[in-house]
Amino acid sequence: EAQVTQNPRYLITVTGKKLTVTCSQNMNHEYMSWYRQDPGLGLRQIYYSMNVEVTDKGDVPEGYKVSRKEKRNFPLILESPSPNQTSLYFCASSPKGLDYYEQYFGPGTRLTVT
Amino acid sequence: GENVEQHPSTLSVQEGDSAVIKCTYSDSASNYFPWYKQELGKRPQLIIDIRSNVGEKKDQRIAVTLNKTAKHFSLHITETQPEDSAVYFCAASRNQGGKLIFGQGTELSVKP
Repeated sequence: EAQVTQNPRYLITVTGKKLTVTCSQNMNHEYMSWYRQDPGLGLRQIYYSMNVEVTDKGDVPEGYKVSRKEKRNFPLILESPSPNQTSLYFCASSPKGLDYYEQYFGPGTRLTVT
Repeated sequence: GENVEQHPSTLSVQEGDSAVIKCTYSDSASNYFPWYKQELGKRPQLIIDIRSNVGEKKDQRIAVTLNKTAKHFSLHITETQPEDSAVYFCAASRNQGGKLIFGQGTELSVKP
């Protein structure tokens, strides 16, 4: 089944404890992104990647890191999480092609930082 | 920086009525405008999109219009049904796979 997977789906952690949220897609998509969703603010892009080893900052990159060593994986790293990073996180991927712009979202990861 | 303003934030209609959600974008280089629907507890899913070389696009009960001069685009849902109840997000982008700016979302409630 074609899909984007994220792990973990739920995470409660403490301030300062490094964590990684994994994202993997099996659709051979070139493009991948991370978003956070907060009430009243919509979806805000954190980082995006247009190719392996190519990543760029989105709207809210502060406090996050990403890497794209393989086409299928795009992990999100919080080196020192803080309470203001409590949010719902979505990974998304999309194919390259003239008529293909749709982003396919993962199921989301709900992160709570205490 | 670039931003997308979306209105209204909440919209309540009677089943069978039409619903209109409006978005304004700031980056004049934007050329792709998708609309996503997010049901409660689910992930966003694309429902319709439009490119800058087109003024209007329709798919059954859903249509999107684009006014590039005014930097304004709208989602129109006709003959609304209870299953249309969800949060709708507009977005704007310059290029495929790159930066995508979302609006703040509109919570649509369709009352039977």
